[in-house]
Amino acid sequence: EADIYQTPRYLVIGTGKKITLECSQTMGHDKMYWYQQDPGMELHLIHYSYGVNSTEKGDLSSESTVSRIRTEHFPLTLESARPSHTSQYLCASKPTGAYGYTFGSGTRLTVV
Amino acid sequence: EDQVTQSPEALRLQEGESSSLNCSYTVSGLRGLFWYRQDPGKGPEFLFTLYSAGEEKEKERLKATLTKKESFLHITAPKPEDSATYLCAVQADSNYQLIWGAGTKLIIKP
Repeated sequence: EADIYQTPRYLVIGTGKKITLECSQTMGHDKMYWYQQDPGMELHLIHYSYGVNSTEKGDLSSESTVSRIRTEHFPLTLESARPSHTSQYLCASKPTGAYGYTFGSGTRLTVV
Repeated sequence: EDQVTQSPEALRLQEGESSSLNCSYTVSGLRGLFWYRQDPGKGPEFLFTLYSAGEEKEKERLKATLTKKESFLHITAPKPEDSATYLCAVQADSNYQLIWGAGTKLIIKP
């Protein structure tokens, strides 16, 4: 079944740790996105990619980096986690030309 | 500045009580307006895309409409399973990235 997968679902880590949030999709979509969502707030775009070897920063890059070496894989890395990074991180994808995004179930990150 | 505002923040209805959710937007030129449903602990699920004023789309008990300044998501005879947060987003001609509203949390009581 075509889908988009995020791991881990929940993560609690200490301040200063380096972490990578994984996102993979099996639909062959060109475009992929990382969003940050706090309860009751808007989604904020962190990074996006229009294809392999293409990455761009969104409005809220939040000291994170991404890579797009394979079409299906779009990991997000926080080099040094801070309590302000505590949030839900959502990965999404869509094919070129279509407007409906497909979202993963998210990673809820807590930095203590 | 491009902006999306959803109202109300929360809405509690009895099962079968129809109502509407509002999404007001300010963009330089509208490329598309999108409605999503989000259940607790999950990512948003795509519902509709609207492109021009006067357009309407329907799916089961939901109907989305669009004017030049706002969109409504009408819910007819809702059921408890319609309980969720409904998100609105717009895409402007000047920027291909979506601008999101904060959502309306809908609770349908049996």
